[in-house]
Order: sequence, then C-alpha cells, then structure tokens
Amino acid sequence: DAGVTQSPTHLIKTRGQQVTLRCSPKSGHDTVSWYQQALGQGPQFIFQYYEEEERQRGNFPDRFSGHQFPNYSSELNVNALLLGDSALYLCASFGLAVHNEQFFGPGTRLTVL
Amino acid sequence: DQQVKQNSPSLSVQEGRISILNCDYTNSMFDYFLWYKKYPAEGPTFLISISSIKDKNEDGRFTVFLNKSAKHLSLHIVPSQPGDSAVYFCAASSNDYKLSFGAGTTVTVRA
Repeated sequence: DAGVTQSPTHLIKTRGQQVTLRCSPKSGHDTVSWYQQALGQGPQFIFQYYEEEERQRGNFPDRFSGHQFPNYSSELNVNALLLGDSALYLCASFGLAVHNEQFFGPGTRLTVL
Repeated sequence: DQQVKQNSPSLSVQEGRISILNCDYTNSMFDYFLWYKKYPAEGPTFLISISSIKDKNEDGRFTVFLNKSAKHLSLHIVPSQPGDSAVYFCAASSNDYKLSFGAGTTVTVRA
C-alpha cells in the first residue's frame, strides 16, 4: 500500500502564475482534504472533496480551487500566485467510516518568487 | 481565530523520561482530538486519537488525556526515545471532518 502520494515534491513559481498540485489517496479512502502549512505554523484547512464535490471549505480565497476525479485522486489549483502562497501543501485522505484517522502525504513545497 | 493552541513551542527531555505535551481548544463543538508527529520533509503521521466521550486513550508508549471541562488535552510519551524527536501537532475535528491544528511543539530527546 503506497499510502497518500503527492506530486510534485517541490515547485518554484513566480508571482501571477498558476499552479496545479496533485494527490492520490490511500487505497480504500474516498475523501481528500487539502491543507496549507506556512513556516512555523500548523496546517490550515483549505477544502475537502468527497464524491467529486467540494464538501467543506476553509477561509481561503477563490484563487484556490480543486477537483476530485472518479478514482478519488485530487488536484489543487492556485491562480494568480502571491508571495504569501509560499508554503507546504499537504493532502490528507480518509474513509468517511473511519474519519478519525486521516493520513497525510509528504506534501508539495511551493515557493513563489 | 486559533481554535486549537499549543502554548509550548518546544520541549527538551532526557531519554527514558516522560514527555508531556499540552493542547488547549476553544470550540466546544469539537468531538474528536488527534495527535500527529512530523519529521522534516515528511507529512504528519497519525499517532493517537481520542473521542470526546472518553477521558483517556492509551497505545503503547503514548497516552492521551482529555479534560472536557477545561478544554484541555495532553499527550504523554513514556519512556521518551531519540526517535521521538520531532514536531508534534494537536488537532481537533467536529462532525465536518476538517482538522483544526495547533502550531506544534518541537520535542528534542537528549541522550
């Protein structure tokens, strides 16, 4: 079992560009959540996808959007990148029947210059 | 609005002794609490959780205590080992399954 995988590992973009991050959930999981972790802080919830729809959304602007595919994998898109978007982006997956154990991927380190 | 707080940014403990990490929360709707451990360049790893209907949960060297009236939980690690050196995050959720995290506590286990 590969667990939660994310790609790419690292990414460097410039202000104003757009970025797409990808996540494959752990086998058997149908729900994916995305988190942003800034340096020295805990992860902040961005949004959550289940059955290809956004179920929950945190306090992030519309520049942050996502998608879930029929195989439960997910993408996070960020438009019009700002310097403040530099962070570690984490994907977590779980099955709704066992939501108490959410498994995280290794994250994608995004640097905006 | 920080609903989960870890007020100690760091903790240093000698190998073999007990590590106690503390966490406070403000949202009374939280009904599930989790602890995660994070090494550099890795994602958080689930350690242990506790439901709001319990006051203690134990798994090997890790025990989590929940005091609902004080809105406080703690993680005890006994005995502490060098491999326990990492950042520990407290997290909480309600029935919407989104996790609210504290800022983390960096634990250093000294030989």
